[in-house]
Amino acid sequence: QVQLQESGPGLVKPSQTLSLTCTVSGGSISSGAYYWSWIRQHPGKGLEWIGYIYYSGSTSYNPSLESRVTMSVDTSKNQFSLRLTSVTAADTAVYYCARTTAGLDSQRFDYWGQGTLVTVSS
Amino acid sequence: DIQMTQSPSSLSASVGDRVTITCQASQDISNYLNWYQQKPGKAPNLLIYDASNLETGVPSRFSGSGSGTDFTFTISSLQPEDIATYYCQQYDNLFTFGPGTKVDIK
Repeated sequence: QVQLQESGPGLVKPSQTLSLTCTVSGGSISSGAYYWSWIRQHPGKGLEWIGYIYYSGSTSYNPSLESRVTMSVDTSKNQFSLRLTSVTAADTAVYYCARTTAGLDSQRFDYWGQGTLVTVSS
Repeated sequence: DIQMTQSPSSLSASVGDRVTITCQASQDISNYLNWYQQKPGKAPNLLIYDASNLETGVPSRFSGSGSGTDFTFTISSLQPEDIATYYCQQYDNLFTFGPGTKVDIK
């Protein structure tokens, strides 16, 4: 059974960088069949895809966040990470990591982490 | 950008009722649509993929249909454990979620 677990600070100051890591267990992050995504949910709101990374390091980001987002992968630790720079209160959200099937005609978020709340506040 | 809309935004129904949620895409997305269930305080859970395929382990009372711009999600007989918010999500061009439909028991 694949499991994903987010980790990182729950409080970040405005203008600083939010950094989160997702640890994958029960499966290899190096499987070519999957992308590894970050998704966030503002309090009481809907879901916003932030971006994904492939085990090779190739990435795709949401254009609305692209200028501030960097994702990386560490296959030796079976982890992938998110960095979001210059954060404001608008970046306060629950951040989820999720496995994404990488089919040409079928893509879906089939396993999710439990989510971690990140609050941006001084 | 592909925009997704859902209706209704919320609904209340009785146990055993048939519940239908619609999702509309701002442009043709073929069948590139998934449905998720999210219970309070939990991560979303995949129910339907590629518009009409039931994810493994998901009860058969859940179903999906549609293609192009108009999609439907149905719970054939609402159960108390189905209280949740339901989201559609397109993957024709990156990924976008609908705003969600909150389902309550009357």
